[in-house]
Amino acid sequence: GAGVSQSPSNKVTEKGKDVELRCDPISGHTALYWYRQSLGQGLEFLIYFQGNSAPDKSGLPSDRFSAERTGGSVSTLTIQRTQQEDSAVYLCASSFGAVQETQYFGPGTRLLVL
Amino acid sequence: AQSVTQPDIHITVSEGASLELRCNYSYGATPYLFWYVQSPGQGLQLLLKYFSGDTLVQGIKGFEAEFKRSQSSFNLRKPSVHWSDAAEYFCAVGARGNQGGKLIFGQGTELSVKP
Repeated sequence: GAGVSQSPSNKVTEKGKDVELRCDPISGHTALYWYRQSLGQGLEFLIYFQGNSAPDKSGLPSDRFSAERTGGSVSTLTIQRTQQEDSAVYLCASSFGAVQETQYFGPGTRLLVL
Repeated sequence: AQSVTQPDIHITVSEGASLELRCNYSYGATPYLFWYVQSPGQGLQLLLKYFSGDTLVQGIKGFEAEFKRSQSSFNLRKPSVHWSDAAEYFCAVGARGNQGGKLIFGQGTELSVKP
């Protein structure tokens, strides 16, 4: 049972490499969100999925960031050509619907770019 | 633009004392409001939420919050703090409409509890 799970829990990479972060939402949750938590910027929204489509990508900081969701379930956040400022904790959340529904957060992936 | 302000970055209270964490928001309509708690190394856990109706909402772990439209505030309170309440607390506004339910968070308030 489960809650939202994320993998890996920690990731260390070199500047310029690509990374993929995975989120497994709670079964049956149609809405999925990615957030980023960093010392300088606090908690920021990145992208929202409803099913497999992403009606709101407004929080993605650059075109190096992309995300997809398949089968209305698992989501992958990809960061290409990582930079040191990408170092942060990436949080995933899911909910039954969107508006008015409680978002349940995963434990996060801590990304360190050297 | 939507925004959330938590004026206190860090608060220290004695165990057994009362607690109030401040939250002010900026939003063009009646907001959805949330308080989340994050313990060290843990994910975010929902304490309580306000959507409509009674402006005093009760949450888990003995917390409550009051929505005051005139002050654009949603302060979190607890009458008697326990050492286990030490954590970081985040206030958030939830978007409405076709933006889905994305949350806009304040910067957080870190709570320390003195024995």
